[in-house]
Amino acid sequence: GDSVTQTEGQVALSEEDFLTIHCNYSASGYPALFWYVQYPGEGPQFLFRASRDKEKGSSRGFEATYNKEATSFHLQKASVQESDSAVYYCALTLNSAGNKLTFGIGTRVLVRP
Amino acid sequence: GGIITQTPKFLIGQEGQKLTLKCQQNFNHDTMYWYRQDSGKGLRLIYYSITENDLQKGDLSEGYDASREKKSSFSLTVTSAQKNEMAVFLCASSIRGGAGEQYFGPGTRLTVL
Repeated sequence: GDSVTQTEGQVALSEEDFLTIHCNYSASGYPALFWYVQYPGEGPQFLFRASRDKEKGSSRGFEATYNKEATSFHLQKASVQESDSAVYYCALTLNSAGNKLTFGIGTRVLVRP
Repeated sequence: GGIITQTPKFLIGQEGQKLTLKCQQNFNHDTMYWYRQDSGKGLRLIYYSITENDLQKGDLSEGYDASREKKSSFSLTVTSAQKNEMAVFLCASSIRGGAGEQYFGPGTRLTVL
């Protein structure tokens, strides 16, 4: 079946460091790709999506570019803050209505002040 | 803006017990979802309801029932709680055809003794 792989289970950085979280996918068709962020004690929040090859999604200083050839959608942020400490989920859907999201296992980001 | 309310926040049950989790949203969204979140496994879709009076199984529906009582509410029943089960159940909603942008509640944490 369709799947999303996030290779880093946990990432620890210091403030102002550059963040990369890797996301690769396997899908039977041409999926839309997403990033969600979950802060402690809250539900996940939609960060952004990309629907076609080479499209860049971005929000709150985070960005990711859809790479169909590499089947990737890596999340990056140039200068992290302590407030970026959270769990980040990559997800995909092949359903045009976006009803059935398949999530990765999540990457916990811990930013030290 | 709107909000998703999940009750109870914490639920402790006994093995074999039938347990019901409730979700209310005031976004006036057509579509609602139930996910299960386990450490190391990400989010997995249990049930969703595209509109009032609709019910669709997700990838993890076995052992669960769901009911869409009205547009604003969606309940999930664990039909027979499993001993040592521990997970967070997340409710979400979206506009119909929301293209993957879903709004999540804070979750109900289930512990089965």
